[in-house]
Amino acid sequence: GIQVEQSPPDLILQEGANSTLRCNFSDSVNNLQWFHQNPWGQLINLFYIPSGTKQNGRLSATTVATERYSLLYISSSQTTDSGVYFCAVDRVMDSNYQLIWGAGTKLIIKP
Amino acid sequence: NAGVTQTPKFQVLKTGQSMTLQCAQDMNHNSMYWYRQDPGMGLRLIYYSASEGTTDKGEVPNGYNVSRLNKREFSLRLESAAPSQTSVYFCASIILKGRQGRSLDYGYTFGSGTRLTVV
Repeated sequence: GIQVEQSPPDLILQEGANSTLRCNFSDSVNNLQWFHQNPWGQLINLFYIPSGTKQNGRLSATTVATERYSLLYISSSQTTDSGVYFCAVDRVMDSNYQLIWGAGTKLIIKP
Repeated sequence: NAGVTQTPKFQVLKTGQSMTLQCAQDMNHNSMYWYRQDPGMGLRLIYYSASEGTTDKGEVPNGYNVSRLNKREFSLRLESAAPSQTSVYFCASIILKGRQGRSLDYGYTFGSGTRLTVV
């Protein structure tokens, strides 16, 4: 099956710093999504990005499908950015849709 | 518009007890999913329901059963709870939003989770 690896596993930064999170996947995929899980456990979809680059405020993501990786950039970090960032890639089995999740990057932004 | 509602939010069970986790969505989504999240890991799929009346096993189905009661509701049952089932459980529903080239764009909505401890 498809393997999804995220790095680094943990990241501690001061408020205002920039960060880059990486997601590698082992096989061709239909699409890739980035999620943020806040410290209270709520999961929010950030980007749907099968290829190319997207930006939303201080966050942007780039997926290079041919090289099987995606990067999530966070600029000018704020304490509210803390939490775990997951990437997930999809596969279709028997016409049904599933997401395969990485283990996540735990980000702590210190004031 | 509540999105995806899970109940209960917290539960402690003794080994061997049974319980049902409830999930309901009000977005008219066809597909619903049950995931578990263990510490330091991503989500793993337990069961899913692609449409009303159908259910299928995911990656870790052993020890669980599901019921897609109607289009809105998808419940997860533990018949005989074990400590290995201590986890946070998430229900999700998805809808196909469109197509971008060869890729399908799905919109994911998660419930707030159920923290289950089996002692």
